Amino acid sequence: GEDVEQSLFLSVREGDSSVINCTYTDSSSTYLYWYKQEPGAGLQLLTYIFSNMDMKQDQRLTVLLNKKDKHLSLRIADTQTGDSAIYFCAEDILTGGGNKLTFGTGTQLKVEL
Amino acid sequence: SQTIHQWPATLVQPVGSPLSLECTVEGTSNPNLYWYRQAAGRGLQLLFYSVGIGQISSEVPQNLSASRPQDRQFILSSKKLLLSDSGFYLCAWSETGYGNTIYFGEGSWLTVV
Repeated sequence: GEDVEQSLFLSVREGDSSVINCTYTDSSSTYLYWYKQEPGAGLQLLTYIFSNMDMKQDQRLTVLLNKKDKHLSLRIADTQTGDSAIYFCAEDILTGGGNKLTFGTGTQLKVEL
Repeated sequence: SQTIHQWPATLVQPVGSPLSLECTVEGTSNPNLYWYRQAAGRGLQLLFYSVGIGQISSEVPQNLSASRPQDRQFILSSKKLLLSDSGFYLCAWSETGYGNTIYFGEGSWLTVV
């Protein structure tokens, strides 16, 4: 089945690292994504990882994938107030020749001074 | 470069009235097109996706319909809105095929009163 789960809230202090976790159920997922949504706006792609990778680093962002446990995490180093947003993980499932992303419920990250 | 536009950005409609949300993509051809809904406090739900003109797949039974009259135009409609149709609607696109990043529009806020 298709189900993607995330914790709803995370609060960190500015300058600390944030770790947002996600679990998924479909083992056939090929790509896994992290999107960021600022208040009242659409979704912005942050990064993605191919399922045969364990880790991907992109500046302050580090994605870790444990395919055995179907666990994905996003680490934001040196978290800033501008990082406050909702973060969605999504798994990519093949269907009819097109992408079908199943999203988690999103994790609201609050960065405090 | 590719861009995606959706409108209107905000809409307040009475129960029982019709709905039309429009989305267009520029800078690409034969994209996959998607409509997602984000209800308050919940994650993203895929409503419809389309891999070509006139080809619409519905993911969930609902009060809404979608049409793709042109290659880069995707329309979300309803004949009679329900209160439960309120939410944030996001149009998205990706290149044809599997494993391509999905890019989102800025979203449309619909409040049914």
